[in-house]
Amino acid sequence: NAGVMQNPRHLVRRRGQEARLRCSPMKGHSHVYWYRQLPEEGLKFMVYLQKENIIDESGMPKERFSAEFPKEGPSILRIQQVVRGDSAAYFCASSPSGGRDTQYFGPGTRLTVL
Amino acid sequence: AQSVTQLDSQVPVFEEAPVELRCNYSSSVSVYLFWYVQYPNQGLQLLLKYLSGSTLVKGINGFEAEFNKSQTSFHLRKPSVHISDTAEYFCAVSVSMKTSYDKVIFGPGTSLSVIP
Repeated sequence: NAGVMQNPRHLVRRRGQEARLRCSPMKGHSHVYWYRQLPEEGLKFMVYLQKENIIDESGMPKERFSAEFPKEGPSILRIQQVVRGDSAAYFCASSPSGGRDTQYFGPGTRLTVL
Repeated sequence: AQSVTQLDSQVPVFEEAPVELRCNYSSSVSVYLFWYVQYPNQGLQLLLKYLSGSTLVKGINGFEAEFNKSQTSFHLRKPSVHISDTAEYFCAVSVSMKTSYDKVIFGPGTSLSVIP
């Protein structure tokens, strides 16, 4: 059973470009969470999605950031017009339900903005 | 508001010595508690979790944690550490939201360095 997949593992963008981060949850999991980890800091919740629905986006910056989890395909975290402050590791986690199930984490995407 | 505190940002310890990583949480409702480990350049891996029942929880790699409701703590312990335990450790709390899903709040992490 493959784990949570994230790609790319490393992404370099220049200021003003767009970044697209992909997350494929574990088989049978329909709940996806995105977190951001800044250097020397813990994980900060960004958004929680179920298939085709955003359940909680309280941790998402109001501008430039968006997320989706379509009926088919991976979940996408999209950052438009990236700035240097967006440089971080972005982790995706999945769970089989939105209850108190364990969240299983992917290896992360490390975004560097030049 | 719920929060998780990990009092020690860095813990150096000699190989084969015991270690305790501290975690305190604040919540007015019942919680589930987790410890995750993050090895360099990797994602988080679940070490152990407390849902209910016995307050002493055993996890992988010889780690265990004890839930203390009165002190709102969930400290992680290992009686004898190995070099391979060098990693970042995160305590987390799962809290029920009004929208009937559970939100996980992570502590800032404790960096464990095992010295040969």
